[in-house]
Amino acid sequence: GAVVSQHPSWVICKSGTSVKIECRSLDFQATTMFWYRQFPKQSLMLMATSNEGSKATYEQGVEKDKFLINHASLTLSTLTVTSAHPEDSSFYICSAAVLAGASGANVLTFGAGSRLTVL
Amino acid sequence: GDSVTQMEGPVTLSEEAFLTINCTYTATGYPSLFWYVQYPGEGLQLLLKATKADDKGSNKGFEATYRKETTSFHLEKGSVQVSDSAVYFCALSGSGGYNKLIFGAGTRLAVHP
Repeated sequence: GAVVSQHPSWVICKSGTSVKIECRSLDFQATTMFWYRQFPKQSLMLMATSNEGSKATYEQGVEKDKFLINHASLTLSTLTVTSAHPEDSSFYICSAAVLAGASGANVLTFGAGSRLTVL
Repeated sequence: GDSVTQMEGPVTLSEEAFLTINCTYTATGYPSLFWYVQYPGEGLQLLLKATKADDKGSNKGFEATYRKETTSFHLEKGSVQVSDSAVYFCALSGSGGYNKLIFGAGTRLAVHP
């Protein structure tokens, strides 16, 4: 089945540094990927929609200059948290849409997530 | 806008008990409905889905029926196991195309031997 790989699975960084998280579709091409953020014991909040070859679409309230998204190929999207601060510590999850055959419903396949801790 | 409401957890059950996790939604048009499961330390996995009214999604003993008249998609399992302990998320997506998922808040299930 479709597999989405995220790297790194966890990262610790100092305040003020930037961190890049990669999201790869391993056995399919994904023109669209989604980035979510999950706070402890809370639901996933969509941050942005990443479109291959074009600018990402950010949800209201998400700082595009803080969370840089690049989707340079059909199998790779990256999220860069710039000048990270402790409040950016969270679980970041990417997903890619897979067309689910005749039903036409697009099923999202999720990466395992990347836990960011900013000291 | 579209939204999903799940029953609050945690839900604590003994092994072999019956499970129901309620989910209701608000949406325009005809959304597809999903249940995702997140095991401790892992990413979300699709558990089951339904794409139209009266469809029943099922997997691993879990099932949920798309009820348009009550705008509900309740998750049920007849006999839970300790290994079912996880967080369960109800979600919807709009009709057609690559649509983003709207998630419920999640319900944590703890099953004890």
